[in-house]
Amino acid sequence: DQQVKQNSPSLSVQEGRISILNCDYTNSMFDYFLWYKKYPAEGPTFLISISSIKDKNEDGRFTVFLNKSAKHLSLHIVPSQPGDSAVYFCAASGDPSGTYKYIFGTGTRLKVLA
Amino acid sequence: DGGITQSPKYLFRKEGQNVTLSCEQNLNHDAMYWYRQDPGQGLRLIYYSQIVNDFQKGDIAEGYSVSREKKESFPLTVTSAQKNPTAFYLCASAPGYSSALFFGSGTQLSVL
Repeated sequence: DQQVKQNSPSLSVQEGRISILNCDYTNSMFDYFLWYKKYPAEGPTFLISISSIKDKNEDGRFTVFLNKSAKHLSLHIVPSQPGDSAVYFCAASGDPSGTYKYIFGTGTRLKVLA
Repeated sequence: DGGITQSPKYLFRKEGQNVTLSCEQNLNHDAMYWYRQDPGQGLRLIYYSQIVNDFQKGDIAEGYSVSREKKESFPLTVTSAQKNPTAFYLCASAPGYSSALFFGSGTQLSVL
C-alpha cells in the first residue's frame, strides 16, 4: 500500500518556463510534507516543506501548494533552470502517536531543456 | 562543519557475509533513519530511531539490524538473511517532529 504517490515518472520543461511536480497521499493523518531534490549516487537535498495548517509555502523559485481535501500537493519551480534537472521526491510525515516516520514517493525525474 | 557522515562510500559483500554501514551525525538530532533506494525506485524505510537505545522497524526491516547506543551514531548491519542487498543506502537525521530530514551522501552496497 503506497501511501505517497508520484504518478509522473518524468517531466521535461523548457528553460525559463514553470515546472509543476505533483504528489498524492492517502493517509489523512499526514500533517507535514516535504520536497527533496536528488542527483544520482548522492543523498537527497531538502528543498521546501509545508505544514497541514497552511496551503502554500514559498521559498525563492520554489512554491509548494497543499490541497488537503484532495490529498494532493505540488511543487512549482519558476523559472526552471538547467541546474534543476534531477529527481524530485515528495515525502510525508505525521501520526497521532507522534512518531517521526517519513514516507517517500517514487520520484519524478525533471529535465530542464536549455 | 555539521552534517551526516556515511562510510564507506562503496561496499562489497560476499555470499553469507554480514556487513555494517556506518552513520554518524554531529547535528545533535534526536531521530535517525535508514532508507534503501533501488534503481529507478523511491526511498524505502528500513529502520528508524527516535531516541538512544530505542528503534523501530520500517517497511522493509527483514534481513537488517541496527543499534542506537549513542545519540550521534546509528549503524546498519546487512545480514546474510537479506537475499537482495544490492542497493544505495541512505542515512538521515531530524531534530524532531515536523522538521526536515537531512541526509548523508549514501553507501552503495554490491554483492560479489
